[in-house]
Amino acid sequence: AQTVTQSQPEMSVQEAETVTLSCTYDTSESDYYLFWYKQPPSRQMILVIRQEAYKQQNATENRFSVNFQKAAKSFSLKISDSQLGDAAMYFCAYRILYTSGTYKYIFGTGTRLKVLA
Amino acid sequence: SQTIHQWPATLVQPVGSPLSLECTVEGTSNPNLYWYRQAAGRGLQLLFYSVGIGQISSEVPQNLSASRPQDRQFILSSKKLLLSDSGFYLCAWGRVREQYFGPGTRLTVT
Repeated sequence: AQTVTQSQPEMSVQEAETVTLSCTYDTSESDYYLFWYKQPPSRQMILVIRQEAYKQQNATENRFSVNFQKAAKSFSLKISDSQLGDAAMYFCAYRILYTSGTYKYIFGTGTRLKVLA
Repeated sequence: SQTIHQWPATLVQPVGSPLSLECTVEGTSNPNLYWYRQAAGRGLQLLFYSVGIGQISSEVPQNLSASRPQDRQFILSSKKLLLSDSGFYLCAWGRVREQYFGPGTRLTVT
């Protein structure tokens, strides 16, 4: 069964510094998608970044980048130049695609990121 | 662009009362729709998903049910709420490469 594990319940980072959030997953599929979502205090879930497993190049979105290690089944999120607005709960997610063509998403338990001024 | 609405935003209901949460999507057709529950300080638990009108898949056996009467409408219901049903309920729509969430409903069962 596919699982997503976030082993860091909480992380802290100084403003303007860099922080890396960890995520590991388990799957037998060769082609899949991985995501990082951000949930600020408003609780609105926001898509931060997406990685297609068939792409070897790590995805980047402005200050956010991933380190995708397919063989190790690791998908970490790096936030550079951290800002106070980055403080939020971050969820790692994996997309399951069934042979029927339907799909669903499995989420990790989240990492709460605190940004210190 | 696509927009997803949920209502109500906040709900306080007594134990044993019925529940109806509604989710509608604009700007897309035939989306996959999802209901998640997030308990306090916890991750997202997938409750139901739907690939089309009248097609509902249940992930977790419970006293909740879901229906999809129209292509872009997804409803979460209960006949009798339990205390354990309290939480934050999120509706989402998705395609192969992406999933987007509504603003959520905070449900407190007293």
